[in-house]
Amino acid sequence: SAVISQKPSRDICQRGTSLTIQCQVDSQVTMMFWYRQQPGQSLTLIATANQGSEATYESGFVIDKFPISRPNLTFSTLTVSNMSPEDSSIYLCSAEPPGGLLYNEQFFGPGTRLTVL
Amino acid sequence: SQELEQSPQSLIVQEGKNLTINCTSSKTLYGLYWYKQKYGEGLIFLMMLQKGGEEKSHEKITAKLDEKKQQSSLHITASQPSHAGIYLCGADSNSGYALNFGKGTSLLVTP
Repeated sequence: SAVISQKPSRDICQRGTSLTIQCQVDSQVTMMFWYRQQPGQSLTLIATANQGSEATYESGFVIDKFPISRPNLTFSTLTVSNMSPEDSSIYLCSAEPPGGLLYNEQFFGPGTRLTVL
Repeated sequence: SQELEQSPQSLIVQEGKNLTINCTSSKTLYGLYWYKQKYGEGLIFLMMLQKGGEEKSHEKITAKLDEKKQQSSLHITASQPSHAGIYLCGADSNSGYALNFGKGTSLLVTP
């Protein structure tokens, strides 16, 4: 299985600022995903990040608000820009399992708990 | 888009009791995934079901997918405090390999 780490694990930020969340995978993966989990809600996919191409955003999420980088096959970042209290959520990254997707058994990072004041 | 409804929304059981969590889809499920999330933490993959009528077990947790592939259940036998957490079902989405998730079932096991 893949081991995924995220930094920071949690942060408290002021509105109007930006936070970059890092996601590191211990093996090379083609596909990485960023999810958001708002309080009391399920996970919602923000975007899919493939190395060497622009991230693909889901409806309701835009690159200006959530820019994503994917510089190599083991790393990705998600930036939450110009934050407001509504951005307070847990942000999780996930990746396909090593060896590719036989099934869609994604592995998830521990999440970043963001609170915006 | 596919919607996943989980029931119950929350559950409190006494240690040693059995429990069942259900996940119902608005569309046919081609891949159904169960995850466990400890409060405020990431997701731990439990098991994946693909075929109608399929059943898988891991330790005291058993998951089933019905023949019509629109409903799955997760059954925990002789629950323990370590089973506490949020259980989420996920299904393949239209967005490549990303998953759609239900809202989760919060489980608390009391001594």
